[in-house]
Amino acid sequence: DAGVIQSPRHEVTEMGQEVTLRCKPISGHNSLFWYRQTMMRGLELLIYFNNNVPIDDSGMPEDRFSAKMPNASFSTLKIQPSEPRDSAVYFCASSPGGGYTFGSGTRLTVV
Amino acid sequence: GESVGLHLPTLSVQEGDNSIINCAYSNSASDYFIWYKQESGKGPQFIIDIRSNMDKRQGQRVTVLLNKTVKHLSLQIAATQPGDSAVYFCAERYRDDKIIFGKGTRLHILP
Repeated sequence: DAGVIQSPRHEVTEMGQEVTLRCKPISGHNSLFWYRQTMMRGLELLIYFNNNVPIDDSGMPEDRFSAKMPNASFSTLKIQPSEPRDSAVYFCASSPGGGYTFGSGTRLTVV
Repeated sequence: GESVGLHLPTLSVQEGDNSIINCAYSNSASDYFIWYKQESGKGPQFIIDIRSNMDKRQGQRVTVLLNKTVKHLSLQIAATQPGDSAVYFCAERYRDDKIIFGKGTRLHILP
């Protein structure tokens, strides 16, 4: 099992550009979560899906953020337009119910 | 991955001693609790979990204690090793399967 796979590992983009982060959960896990980690706010839950359906997106900071899960093996988190304050490490995690398995994260830098 | 840096409490422990990391959780309705370890440049890694109908659970070199009366969770690491250096997060699950993370504690091992 390759675990939760995120891409890209690092992303540097200019302010105003669209950014798309990708996640492949562990096969058989029916829940998927997107977190953002910063020095000031720690790990924040942005949105989570259960059986590909968004359940709670109350953590999504603004309308500039959107997430999709078109099938059980793929999810995206999109930021459009990106801003410097979006710079953070974005983690995807999946779960069969119970504890989560995290991916290695995408370090996003918006300049 | 980044962790909360400037504002993280730090616990310094002599190699070979036992470590105790404490956490206060917020929601009395939470039914499941997890400890995660995050090393520099990596995503959080599951260590041990406990359900709300238990007050103690042991793993390999780790023990989690749960006190629901005062909403307190602790992680005990026996015979602390250099590889235990990391940031440790407690997390609680609300009944809707959403897991919320605490701010984290940095464990520093003294030689």
